[in-house]
Amino acid sequence: EADIYQTPRYLVIGTGKKITLECSQTMGHDKMYWYQQDPGMELHLIHYSYGVNSTEKGDLSSESTVSRIRTEHFPLTLESARPSHTSQYLCASSGPGHKSEKLFFGSGTQLSVL
Amino acid sequence: QKEVEQDPGPLSVPEGAIVSLNCTYSNSAFQYFMWYRQYSRKGPELLMYTYSSGNKEDGRFTAQVDKSSKYISLFIRDSQPSDSATYLCAMSGPYNQGGKLIFGQGTELSVKP
Repeated sequence: EADIYQTPRYLVIGTGKKITLECSQTMGHDKMYWYQQDPGMELHLIHYSYGVNSTEKGDLSSESTVSRIRTEHFPLTLESARPSHTSQYLCASSGPGHKSEKLFFGSGTQLSVL
Repeated sequence: QKEVEQDPGPLSVPEGAIVSLNCTYSNSAFQYFMWYRQYSRKGPELLMYTYSSGNKEDGRFTAQVDKSSKYISLFIRDSQPSDSATYLCAMSGPYNQGGKLIFGQGTELSVKP
């Protein structure tokens, strides 16, 4: 069973607030990802990291930022939340080489910005 | 045009039925093909993984890839109520993309007892 954890599971906040979504994994994976999922829509990659101090933006433009100071931790931050940021945010990790397409996902954070 | 097309359903079948889920894609460079299952309020979990063309079987599940038609399928035999979930196809390539997958929008499946 995959060991990747996201907190909080649900978050309702007001516009303009700064938020951080937490993601941790205990599998020692170098590769970690943030995907965004809206109801009935595809998952879209917004950030990824191939190791400590390495972060890149994904295919979907996002106003969020990420950091990777420790292998196991990959938090996502929104400096000033807006209603357009309302979505489900899924964190994932994967192993090396040919295993890197096999993603392990957390349970997600459902963010609602009022 | 989306790179990956998947009928969102919903699809409702009786218990014991054979289920066929499908995706089409436009990028002929895709080499890695996956099916993820997502239960309500959960993250997706990897169900099947296939490299290039061919079939792969795992218990009641069979994944097929037809690269000439740019078409992939997932078959579920003897479907169970516990199979009720959203099924997402995903793909990448031509080289190892390190988890940067292109997903379909998912097909919602309901298996009725």
